[in-house]
Amino acid sequence: QVQLQESGPGLVKPSETLSLTCTVSDGSISTYYWNWIRQPPGKGLEWIGYVYYSGSTNYNPSLKSRVTISVDTSKKQFSLKLSSVTAADTAVYYCARFFGSGSNAFDIWGQGTMVTVSS
Amino acid sequence: DIQMTQSPSSVSASVGDRVTITCRASQGVSSWLAWYQQKPGKAPKLLIYAASSLQSGVPSRFSGSGSGTDFTLTISSLQPEDFATYYCQQANSFPYTFGQGTKLEIK
Repeated sequence: QVQLQESGPGLVKPSETLSLTCTVSDGSISTYYWNWIRQPPGKGLEWIGYVYYSGSTNYNPSLKSRVTISVDTSKKQFSLKLSSVTAADTAVYYCARFFGSGSNAFDIWGQGTMVTVSS
Repeated sequence: DIQMTQSPSSVSASVGDRVTITCRASQGVSSWLAWYQQKPGKAPKLLIYAASSLQSGVPSRFSGSGSGTDFTLTISSLQPEDFATYYCQQANSFPYTFGQGTKLEIK
């Protein structure tokens, strides 16, 4: 069973860049779309964007100017960078696999990692 | 963006009850609608995909229906472990969007 694990700093200063990595274990990184989704404390879910295993990307327009998602297939990892963060970026960040091919849903999720933006 | 609106925002029910949650899209999403269950401190879990297909391992008391703009999630007989927050999500067009959530509480 494929598992995802987020890693990265839990505290980021305002105006700096948030960087997270998701490691894929017990499965292939190929032929899937790898996503980042976030959830501010007590609020709902927001899709940030995805990277395909080939490296192509798609981002939420609301964050597009600040987001970069990349993949390293040799390490079976994909990463999120969010620049110029503010307190509004404080959230639990999840990585998730999007399974297309008739499913079109996020079928596997990491446990999530809390990131706080504060000086 | 396609806006997803769930109703109700919260519901109280008892073990054994039948519960229905509704999700409405601001424009048609075909059948590309998924439902997730989230418990406190945990990641969301996929229950239903493509509007009505049950994800492997999910109990059959969960079912989904609908197409276009109107969808429902039904739990036929509530079990104690079903008390959680439920989210719908459309995957018909970018950006993917979620409903605001429905919190299912014990009466």
